[in-house]
Amino acid sequence: GAVVSQHPSRVICKSGTSVKIECRSLDFQATTMFWYRQFPKQSLMLMATSNEGSKATYEQGVEKDKFLINHASLTLSTLTVTSAHPEDSSFYICSAHPGQLSREETQYFGPGTRLLVL
Amino acid sequence: QKEVEQDPGPLSVPEGAIVSLNCTYSNSAFQYFMWYRQYSRKGPELLMYTYSSGNKEDGRFTAQVDKSSKYISLFIRDSQPSDSATYLCAMSISNFGNEKLTFGTGTRLTIIP
Repeated sequence: GAVVSQHPSRVICKSGTSVKIECRSLDFQATTMFWYRQFPKQSLMLMATSNEGSKATYEQGVEKDKFLINHASLTLSTLTVTSAHPEDSSFYICSAHPGQLSREETQYFGPGTRLLVL
Repeated sequence: QKEVEQDPGPLSVPEGAIVSLNCTYSNSAFQYFMWYRQYSRKGPELLMYTYSSGNKEDGRFTAQVDKSSKYISLFIRDSQPSDSATYLCAMSISNFGNEKLTFGTGTRLTIIP
């Protein structure tokens, strides 16, 4: 159980285009999903917290107009990198929390999406 | 000072050795402690989840939490080359769904055949 998928796994795009990344919880409902960014040999950097049916909460320094997050259902959140530039090239990872307190639960991570902007 | 400190390594040990990975933290409010394993170019995978102080064992893995010292450890027995990965400690105050995790920087571990 607790499987999270991401699509696509890898994307290459031209500078100035927009890229959408999907994050799905496959066997549980997640009221909250998280989006992270990871540079090579570095730890995870939280970008935003995605709440189903409401606006995402962005971390300090993350541009909300550049990184659009939509969490339209309890199993799907999307991250759109608008007008991508080479400095946006990175490994983007989502996580989802089942949100149940009756058993051990924490964040489960997707496999990540590698974005390369040319 | 970072909230969570973790030796980034890299750490190389021979196959079959016992591996000890550690994190220290400064926020005494942390109650939930996790260890994630991340292979290169993959998302983190939850290995161990513990609440408050104590030990938890799962196969070759043992997690220890010492809240009085603000110190957590992950032990790997009979280490295998497949254990080569980056290990991230993470912690939180509650396990509410919308709570952020605070991560260590990760320790890169290599098991030498």
